[in-house]
Amino acid sequence: DSGVTQTPKHLITATGQRVTLRCSPRSGDLSVYWYQQSLDQGLQFLIQYYNGEERAKGNILERFSAQQFPDLHSELNLSSLELGDSALYFCASSVEPETYGYTFGSGTRLTVV
Amino acid sequence: GEDVEQSLFLSVREGDSSVINCTYTDSSSTYLYWYKQEPGAGLQLLTYIFSNMDMKQDQRLTVLLNKKDKHLSLRIADTQTGDSAIYFCAESKVGYSTLTFGKGTMLLVSP
Repeated sequence: DSGVTQTPKHLITATGQRVTLRCSPRSGDLSVYWYQQSLDQGLQFLIQYYNGEERAKGNILERFSAQQFPDLHSELNLSSLELGDSALYFCASSVEPETYGYTFGSGTRLTVV
Repeated sequence: GEDVEQSLFLSVREGDSSVINCTYTDSSSTYLYWYKQEPGAGLQLLTYIFSNMDMKQDQRLTVLLNKKDKHLSLRIADTQTGDSAIYFCAESKVGYSTLTFGKGTMLLVSP
C-alpha cells in the first residue's frame, strides 16, 4: 500500500455520462497530481494541485476538471465522456510542489462503452 | 518528437543483468527517474538521479547518465522473475514538479 488511495478501482460508464474519481493523498503530502495512462498516449500529466490551489495544468481536456478540498483529498471530474477517454487514471502525491518523485496510487480504470 | 524515448521490450533470463535505456531531449532536466509498474498496480519510484551526476547505485540497481548524449540507463543486476514489469523513465524540468514519462519498457524475465 503506497498510502495514496484512489476510488473506485474500476468504473464502467456510457458515452455522454459524467464520473468523479477520488484521490486521498499520502498523509502529510500537500501536492496532488493527476495522470492519464492509455496505450497510445502513455502517461500524460493532467493537472496538479498544491494545498488547495491549482499549480500546473497539462494536457487536460475542457470536459475534465479537478479540485482539491481543504482536507487535501482531490476529485477529478470527467464529463461528456467519449470512448477515447477509456484509460487508467492515476493520482500521485508529494510533500512539496517541487519534489524528488511522487507516490502513486493504484489507479482507477475507466471504461467508456 | 517525444521528450523521453525508451525501447518497448526487453527479455532476459533469470540471473542475468538487464539494461533498460532511455533518451531525453530537454537539456534543462533537473532530475531523471526510474519507475516500475507491476500489473494492476500504480507506479513505484525505484530511483532518481540529479542531472549533474553520472552514476547512482542502490543495491541491485545502477543508474548511468550520459549528459552529452542525453542518455539514461537502468541496470538491474541478478535479475529475478519478480523484476518482470514495465519500467518508465521520466524527467522533470527546472522549476517544475511535473514529470514527463517515456512510454515504458516491458521487462520479461524467464526462469
